[in-house]
Amino acid sequence: AQKITQTQPGMFVQEKEAVTLDCTYDTSDQSYGLFWYKQPSSGEMIFLIYQGSYDEQNATEGRYSLNFQKARKSANLVISASQLGDSAMYFCAMREGQGGSEKLVFGKGTKLTVNP
Amino acid sequence: AAGVIQSPRHLIKEKRETATLKCYPIPRHDTVYWYQQGPGQDPQFLISFYEKMQSDKGSIPDRFSAQQFSDYHSELNMSSLELGDSALYFCASSPHGLAGTYNEQFFGPGTRLTVL
Repeated sequence: AQKITQTQPGMFVQEKEAVTLDCTYDTSDQSYGLFWYKQPSSGEMIFLIYQGSYDEQNATEGRYSLNFQKARKSANLVISASQLGDSAMYFCAMREGQGGSEKLVFGKGTKLTVNP
Repeated sequence: AAGVIQSPRHLIKEKRETATLKCYPIPRHDTVYWYQQGPGQDPQFLISFYEKMQSDKGSIPDRFSAQQFSDYHSELNMSSLELGDSALYFCASSPHGLAGTYNEQFFGPGTRLTVL
């Protein structure tokens, strides 16, 4: 069963507007972590933001914020004031395992296009 | 700051050939993860090592093997290459911490393998 679901294959946003990328997850663990990564066309995986399951505050990193709704098992990424350079694939991921191995399980990704 | 180094960055091989991908983690990171990302796909976990021992295994074909050396660098060996092995291979490293704590995985730039 898919553990990370990103229902938006593609999203379009106008420059300087805000956009929300959806992510829902499925886990029975009490302790888990949720990540968002950006992958531009060049291919590298760029870490954006992290939310721990016990964190009471929504994570924020500059223009990125994570709308964490634990009861709904959702961890949506909000990008404020979009820039042309934000055009990329965005992956939501969940950390599985503990201790010596905490592999990441990724969603299928959302391709964001920022229009001028 | 030092980042994860992967070599080579690009590799072209023929079917049935072998390939070796190398990963040099960030200094003092003792955990290494390997991921495979096919064209248009999300990254899939292959294998991980902690303190030179295999700590977890994902969907890694039997034709692939990997190890972590005493200096913590890791190598992914791929034999009898198939067309379907063409992908972007990421290595990520993290420091080891207590179970349940947050250990960010730092991704390398990836090795793009093309099998002809």
